[in-house]
Amino acid sequence: DAGVTQSPTHLIKTRGQQVTLRCSPKSGHDTVSWYQQALGQGPQFIFQYYEEEERQRGNFPDRFSGHQFPNYSSELNVNALLLGDSALYLCASSSTGESPLHFGNGTRLTVT
Amino acid sequence: AQRVTQPEKLLSVFKGAPVELKCNYSYSGSPELFWYVQYSRQRLQLLLRHISRESIKGFTADLNKGETSFHLKKPFAQEEDSAMYYCALSWSSSNTGKLIFGQGTTLQVKP
Repeated sequence: DAGVTQSPTHLIKTRGQQVTLRCSPKSGHDTVSWYQQALGQGPQFIFQYYEEEERQRGNFPDRFSGHQFPNYSSELNVNALLLGDSALYLCASSSTGESPLHFGNGTRLTVT
Repeated sequence: AQRVTQPEKLLSVFKGAPVELKCNYSYSGSPELFWYVQYSRQRLQLLLRHISRESIKGFTADLNKGETSFHLKKPFAQEEDSAMYYCALSWSSSNTGKLIFGQGTTLQVKP
């Protein structure tokens, strides 16, 4: 079992561009959560997907959107990138009604 | 608002010394508390959760609702304990996808 896998591992984008990050959950998990971790900070909850719908959302602008596919994999999209969006983006998966979260290694996004 | 505070950014101890990583939270209900650990070049992983009441790698943590704290303790630190530790809070035991994390404490165990 590969656990939670994320792609790409690193990404460099220019301010104003759009980016898509991808996540495959751990086998048997149906819920995917996304977190943003700025340098020197703890992870911050962006949103959670279950049954292909956004179930919970943190305090992030609409520029951050997501999607979950029938195979439970998920994408995080960020539009109109700002320099402040530079961070490590973590995906975590879990089973409905169970915890804990299993995290991926993250995608390091740099916005120049 | 819900908040998790880890007052120490860095905690440095010698091997064999006791360790206490502090975590305080603010939440009006009955939260579920976790400690996550990230070893060098590894992913974030669960260390322990308060409802399990178990000891993992010699670490324990007791939820003190009166003091709203969930400090992580180990009587004798080992060099392999060196890592980043995050305290996290969830207000739903059935859906812990939304966690509030503290800023983290780096534990450095010196030989």
